[in-house]
Amino acid sequence: DAGVIQSPRHEVTEMGQEVTLRCKPISGHNSLFWYRQTMMRGLELLIYFNNNVPIDDSGMPEDRFSAKMPNASFSTLKIQPSEPRDSAVYFCASLVGHSTDTQYFGPGTRLTVL
Amino acid sequence: QQPVQSPQAVILREGEDAVINCSSSKALYSVHWYRQKHGEAPIFLMILLKGGEQKGHDKISASFNEKKQQSSLYLTASQLSYSGTYFCGTDPQSTGGFKTIFGAGTRLFVKA
Repeated sequence: DAGVIQSPRHEVTEMGQEVTLRCKPISGHNSLFWYRQTMMRGLELLIYFNNNVPIDDSGMPEDRFSAKMPNASFSTLKIQPSEPRDSAVYFCASLVGHSTDTQYFGPGTRLTVL
Repeated sequence: QQPVQSPQAVILREGEDAVINCSSSKALYSVHWYRQKHGEAPIFLMILLKGGEQKGHDKISASFNEKKQQSSLYLTASQLSYSGTYFCGTDPQSTGGFKTIFGAGTRLFVKA
């Protein structure tokens, strides 16, 4: 299995630009999570989906952030407009079923907003 | 509320043992442990569900005291490959297990 796939791996953009991060979960996994990791705040859960439906987005920092999962094999996290404080590593993770199953993390997208 | 991990950092010689603690102010459904190497994604180590449960993974094991809302990760006979940052992730009982909150991490460095 290819594991969780994220793209791009690195993104450098200017403040005010729209940024779209992409994630392909492991085939057959029905839960998907978006995390953000920074030195200051550590690893934070932004949103998670179960069977393509957003279940909890209370971790999304503000309205500039949005996430979608149009089908079981694809999810996006969009930031519009981006700000320098959004600079972080964004991880996508998936798991196959129950919350006690293993979460498999993707390699992450390192976002730098200038 | 973010769980509290201790110590923040530890340096070991190869072959030595270490304990990393994770404490929560909330009643917990489960506790996860992850290891992350610099520049890489977190790797799942194990999950603990019940009070007093203990699990093992090679020479890495963990316990979960549900009543005290605490978990500990035990690394025995440490190897160079154990170096990295260890995170505990706690799932408050109220969320049914999906809303993991991560601790700040414990940096472990194993030297030869």
